[in-house]
Amino acid sequence: EPEVTQTPSHQVTQMGQEVILRCVPISNHLYFYWYRQILGQKVEFLVSFYNNEISEKSEIFDDQFSVERPDGSNFTLKIRSTKLEDSAMYFCASPLAAFNNEQFFGPGTRLTVL
Amino acid sequence: GESVGLHLPTLSVQEGDNSIINCAYSNSASDYFIWYKQESGKGPQFIIDIRSNMDKRQGQRVTVLLNKTVKHLSLQIAATQPGDSAVYFCAELRSFGNEKLTFGTGTRLTIIP
Repeated sequence: EPEVTQTPSHQVTQMGQEVILRCVPISNHLYFYWYRQILGQKVEFLVSFYNNEISEKSEIFDDQFSVERPDGSNFTLKIRSTKLEDSAMYFCASPLAAFNNEQFFGPGTRLTVL
Repeated sequence: GESVGLHLPTLSVQEGDNSIINCAYSNSASDYFIWYKQESGKGPQFIIDIRSNMDKRQGQRVTVLLNKTVKHLSLQIAATQPGDSAVYFCAELRSFGNEKLTFGTGTRLTIIP
């Protein structure tokens, strides 16, 4: 079965620090997404990425957030200056193709901001 | 505004029984409705989807029903097993120019041995 991997599994950081969350999507996928899930809450869309640029972003995805695909395989989410409320699980996902509903999610990175 | 919500936050079912998880949505423009399963410590896992022009779709031990009149979606799991214990989310997708998933709040299903 296809697999999306994410590193690290758990990241602890001090408020104001920068963090980079990494994802290795399924090879040959073209669309990539980041979602986050605050503990006990629903999964929320952050940003979609296609053809090396942002396709859509949510209100959560402010200037502190950025995404990159630096080397054609990794897909990163950077938070420049973390806030306490950024503490959440962050999931990377990719579907097989455009308009394909079966998005494969990674196992997530748990970000804890102290 | 648009929203996808769930009626019940928790549900306990005896192993072997059938379970029904419900979801209400408010956005009539959605093209697909999807059920995801999330086990503890894992990412959401696709279960089944249904296009907005369908009423019912069946998979292996799962059936999704869509009632557009009352904007209601349900997931039926037959002959539940311990491995079915998880949080179940409904999600909506508008496939034209907007492929993001909009999730509901989730229902925790517990299968009692």
